[in-house]
Amino acid sequence: EAQVTQNPRYLITVTGKKLTVTCSQNMNHEYMSWYRQDPGLGLRQIYYSMNVEVTDKGDVPEGYKVSRKEKRNFPLILESPSPNQTSLYFCASSLSQGRTFFGQGTRLTVV
Amino acid sequence: AQTVTQSQPEMSVQEAETVTLSCTYDTSESDYYLFWYKQPPSRQMILVIRQEAYKQQNATENRFSVNFQKAAKSFSLKISDSQLGDAAMYFCAYRSAQGGSEKLVFGKGTKLTVNP
Repeated sequence: EAQVTQNPRYLITVTGKKLTVTCSQNMNHEYMSWYRQDPGLGLRQIYYSMNVEVTDKGDVPEGYKVSRKEKRNFPLILESPSPNQTSLYFCASSLSQGRTFFGQGTRLTVV
Repeated sequence: AQTVTQSQPEMSVQEAETVTLSCTYDTSESDYYLFWYKQPPSRQMILVIRQEAYKQQNATENRFSVNFQKAAKSFSLKISDSQLGDAAMYFCAYRSAQGGSEKLVFGKGTKLTVNP
């Protein structure tokens, strides 16, 4: 089954404790992105990747890092999480101009 | 930069009735895609309908249809014969056809309530 898998689905952490949200797709897609969803703001792109070792900033990249060492994986790293990064996070993947597939979402709370 | 505006934070409809959700966008590009996504309480992002800007014909998917007005930069979603399962947050989204980041630009969403 074609899918984007994110883990964990829920995460509560403390300020400053490094964390990684994993994302994996099984469709051999070149493009992968991370979005965050906040009430009243919709979804906003954090980072994206056009292929292995090619990443770039989206609209709200501050406080986040990504890497793309393998085509299927695109982890989101928060080196020092802060409460303003409490949000719902989505990983997405697609082929060029193709349909976008979303992961199930990760609800992150930073206290 | 492209922007997407959904002016209705919340809407409600009676079961079996028709409701229209509004979306306007701003872009200087001539070729692009527009989408409506549904997000039920499960948080899953579900593609409802997709419209290519170069196509004049409005897209339809069963009970869902759009009114695409390119000159007015308007892209409304009509849900006919509303069902309880249609209750969700709906997001309008834009994507450039020029390639690059494949970024989706989302509106802030409209929460749809379906009353029995």
